[in-house]
Amino acid sequence: SQTIHQWPATLVQPVGSPLSLECTVEGTSNPNLYWYRQAAGRGLQLLFYSVGIGQISSEVPQNLSASRPQDRQFILSSKKLLLSDSGFYLCAWSGNGYTFGSGTRLTVV
Amino acid sequence: LAKTTQPISMDSYEGQEVNITCSHNNIATNDYITWYQQFPSQGPRFIIQGYKTKVTNEVASLFIPADRKSSTLSLPRVSLSDTAVYYCLVFNTGGFKTIFGAGTRLFVKA
Repeated sequence: SQTIHQWPATLVQPVGSPLSLECTVEGTSNPNLYWYRQAAGRGLQLLFYSVGIGQISSEVPQNLSASRPQDRQFILSSKKLLLSDSGFYLCAWSGNGYTFGSGTRLTVV
Repeated sequence: LAKTTQPISMDSYEGQEVNITCSHNNIATNDYITWYQQFPSQGPRFIIQGYKTKVTNEVASLFIPADRKSSTLSLPRVSLSDTAVYYCLVFNTGGFKTIFGAGTRLFVKA
């Protein structure tokens, strides 16, 4: 069966510090992968999606970037975090529907 | 890209049946309709999926009229633990930019 792993679960980072969130998928090959962000009490905002290794599409201009160094690995990064980067970050993959990771609560202080 | 419209929030009481309707007027022929449930600080999880007519599983039913421009998620006999946000999603397996709406916040009261 397919599983998706996302870590860390929570993260508190100072403004201006770098960020790296990792997501891995097991049990499937060449999945479509996604990074979403969710502000408190709001819906899901699509940030990036990837259809293959090294293929990244950005949906929203921002302080973040994504990379896919391996087929089942998706990384969300930032060189310098802003306060506005705080939120709940979700990784997902799609096949016959979407499967989400458990999320990372990022607080930038 | 099919856009969905749902009520922002709904209240119910334990033991009642809850129906949440979603509008998706621009649904395409190869689109499916899927509903997700999200608890605070967790990722959305799949509830039910359908293409047309009625689908039922152990937790919910999904009603889709012939024109497929709307769908209704039915939760029988809700409990306090069903308090969550419910998202209606229209997508196809080849789509990459599926848009999640704001969802419907369901509050179940004792």
